[in-house]
Amino acid sequence: GDSVTQMEGPVTLSEEAFLTINCTYTATGYPSLFWYVQYPGEGLQLLLKATKADDKGSNKGFEATYRKETTSFHLEKGSVQVSDSAVYFCALQPPTGGGNKLTFGTGTQLKVEL
Amino acid sequence: SQTIHQWPATLVQPVGSPLSLECTVEGTSNPNLYWYRQAAGRGLQLLFYSVGIGQISSEVPQNLSASRPQDRQFILSSKKLLLSDSGFYLCAWSVSGRGNPFFGQGTRLTVV
Repeated sequence: GDSVTQMEGPVTLSEEAFLTINCTYTATGYPSLFWYVQYPGEGLQLLLKATKADDKGSNKGFEATYRKETTSFHLEKGSVQVSDSAVYFCALQPPTGGGNKLTFGTGTQLKVEL
Repeated sequence: SQTIHQWPATLVQPVGSPLSLECTVEGTSNPNLYWYRQAAGRGLQLLFYSVGIGQISSEVPQNLSASRPQDRQFILSSKKLLLSDSGFYLCAWSVSGRGNPFFGQGTRLTVV
């Protein structure tokens, strides 16, 4: 079945450091890929998405490129801020059917310190 | 614009007590609806989803059930809670056919 694997956290960075959170997936066909962010005590918010190979999703300085050849969708940001501290979830949605269900990774906690 | 409401925000319940969590969506018709659970230190697990009134699909066998009595209302229930039911429950909706889900603020359930 479909699965998503994320790097384990927590990831602790200093402000203005470069961020990479790895995400790889297993799925049939060409799924859509997503990054969601969860701030403390809140629900999930969509951060960015990509629906086909080589697409780049971007939002709030975060980027991720859909790499079909490596089945990856790594999240990157050039300069993190304390306000980026949150849990980040990678997810995939199969190309057809199944009620738009998402399969999530286990989440990666990011802590950004001054 | 579309909004999703989920309540209560926090809940502490004794083992063996019943549960009812409610979720409603405004500003859209015939949405797909979802219940996810996030257990401590773990990712999100899809519990139930619904593509229409009275249509419920269960993803994992468990002590919980879901119902959709109205187009934009989704209820998560249990007759007798277990300690293992503790977690963060998230309701979500999406446009039917295709589209990413939008999440509510979540309910933190602690079973004691």
